[in-house]
Amino acid sequence: EAGVVQSPRYKIIEKKQPVAFWCNPISGHNTLYWYRQNLGQGPELLIRYENEEAVDDSQLPKDRFSAERLKGVDSTLKIQPAELGDSAVYLCASSLKTADTQYFGPGTRLTVL
Amino acid sequence: GQNIDQPTEMTATEGAIVQINCTYQTSGFNGLFWYQQHAGEAPTFLSYNVLDGLEEKGRFSSFLSRSKGYSYLLLKELQMKDSASYLCAVRDLDMRFGAGTRLTVKP
Repeated sequence: EAGVVQSPRYKIIEKKQPVAFWCNPISGHNTLYWYRQNLGQGPELLIRYENEEAVDDSQLPKDRFSAERLKGVDSTLKIQPAELGDSAVYLCASSLKTADTQYFGPGTRLTVL
Repeated sequence: GQNIDQPTEMTATEGAIVQINCTYQTSGFNGLFWYQQHAGEAPTFLSYNVLDGLEEKGRFSSFLSRSKGYSYLLLKELQMKDSASYLCAVRDLDMRFGAGTRLTVKP
């Protein structure tokens, strides 16, 4: 069974540029999560989807971050414009349902110069 | 709010046993998870506790005491490949992670 797929794996951009990350969850998983992980820290939840509905986006900086999961499968996370402090690893995870174990993708390492 | 505390770093010897502790304070509780994360890789699921007691899975065991807000991950017969960060995470409505414990296994 394929795991959570994310692309790109690495991204280097200059500040004020836009960037987008893509995630394909494990087949059949209804719940999808986006996390941000800073160096030496644990992942921090940005947004949680149940099917195509964003049910928890309280930690998403809405002035510059946006996300969508249009058909309840793949999801994209966008930052526009990026700031230096956005440099981090962006992890996508999925679970069968909200109460189930989460499985993580390999992440996208973003560097903002 | 939620506080999840675990040691920043630990060192152990190949073949030995190591215990990584985690204490937490949460407004609600729906389970405690341990994940392993090698440098530059995604966290991978190790164990899940929702009731008090010990869960054993091969060389890894995890213990939970809900009344004490305490868990530990026990790694037996340490191997060099066990060098990684170990993340304690508590689920309320959402998952909250500790900062992780970086374990170094030495020959």
